[in-house]
Amino acid sequence: GENVEQHPSTLSVQEGDSAVIKCTYSDSASNYFPWYKQELGKRPQLIIDIRSNVGEKKDQRIAVTLNKTAKHFSLHITETQPEDSAVYFCAARGLGQNFVFGPGTRLSVLP
Amino acid sequence: GAGVSQSPSNKVTEKGKDVELRCDPISGHTALYWYRQSLGQGLEFLIYFQGNSAPDKSGLPSDRFSAERTGGSVSTLTIQRTQQEDSAVYLCASSLVAGGKNEQYFGPGTRLTVT
Repeated sequence: GENVEQHPSTLSVQEGDSAVIKCTYSDSASNYFPWYKQELGKRPQLIIDIRSNVGEKKDQRIAVTLNKTAKHFSLHITETQPEDSAVYFCAARGLGQNFVFGPGTRLSVLP
Repeated sequence: GAGVSQSPSNKVTEKGKDVELRCDPISGHTALYWYRQSLGQGLEFLIYFQGNSAPDKSGLPSDRFSAERTGGSVSTLTIQRTQQEDSAVYLCASSLVAGGKNEQYFGPGTRLTVT
């Protein structure tokens, strides 16, 4: 079955700097890759997603890139702000419609 | 419209007792997922329902765990003979699997504590 790895597990950046989180997946049939942000004690919220027929997608300060050949995708956050501090999860969905999540990255944006 | 709702929000039970957790998905969403999240950990897939198809139960950790989805809407996750290691937040999510719309919407979760 699908296996999703995520790095780093923790990331600290200064406010205004960029943050990059990387995920790899194992099932070449996976075709949808969402990213979720989870603040402490709250439910995961979708922040951006990408489908396998697209290489890059951007939404304001957030972007996601996908390399299907290498089976990895990355989240890029530019001009980070303290409110970006949270745990971020990547996920991959295969043909079976089931989602497999990465273990998460705890991002801390230092003021 | 209303989002995904779950009840109860918190549940404390004694080891060995059975518990039922409820999820109300967004109206019209055909897919429903259950996940478990232990403190400080990622989301562990438990079970997935899609329309009238047989559910994908591949994530259920033991035969003490079961889930039903009645009428294609409300779902109940049942844990029998609870153990302390079952303590976690149980999250439900639903999505509209049609026309390429795959986004999952999560409920607030049920925090289960087994004493």
